[in-house]
Amino acid sequence: GQNIDQPTEMTATEGAIVQINCTYQTSGFNGLFWYQQHAGEAPTFLSYNVLDGLEEKGRFSSFLSRSKGYSYLLLKELQMKDSASYLCAVRDGDYKLSFGAGTTVTVRA
Amino acid sequence: NAGVTQTPKFQVLKTGQSMTLQCAQDMNHEYMSWYRQDPGMGLRLIHYSVGAGITDQGEVPNGYNVSRSTTEDFPLRLLSAAPSQTSVYFCASSYGVSGANVLTFGAGSRLTVL
Repeated sequence: GQNIDQPTEMTATEGAIVQINCTYQTSGFNGLFWYQQHAGEAPTFLSYNVLDGLEEKGRFSSFLSRSKGYSYLLLKELQMKDSASYLCAVRDGDYKLSFGAGTTVTVRA
Repeated sequence: NAGVTQTPKFQVLKTGQSMTLQCAQDMNHEYMSWYRQDPGMGLRLIHYSVGAGITDQGEVPNGYNVSRSTTEDFPLRLLSAAPSQTSVYFCASSYGVSGANVLTFGAGSRLTVL
């Protein structure tokens, strides 16, 4: 099985930066995903990391360290529409995708 | 393209009743899966399929059955509903399971068991 930990809640101000950490333990590693989920909606794909380092995509960046079992999602220039739950998910050696419980980010004006 | 379509969106059942949640995708995805999402617990894998005729159990399979007779459809059957199965259910699919294959989710089905 897998153990994926991320903070439950974070609050930040519009225009600020927020970093959501994710730590994981897995039997085999075949990639880490970040998904965004607005309340009452389906998760949507944000980013994918399989090699160590930073992947940048507009205002969102994701970092991976495989040796530390650690990833973070960085949200820059926060907007009100970024208020959502952010899910860290790890693909294991059998290629199953397991999710963390999610981090609810609230953006305040 | 409709993507991943789930029906019904909402359902209320009584304990002991059976029902089927439907899932269909029109993207020719080989991999399909069912997750349930409960507060504080994240998405948990119920069953998955890597192609027509092939299914396997995920993390929380008890009380659920699946079949995959076609590439497009992957229904989830609740055999005898229990209050513990009250949850939001998501069907998700992808081209494959390796590498950067991204799961596309349906809109979800909210089930309440009384």
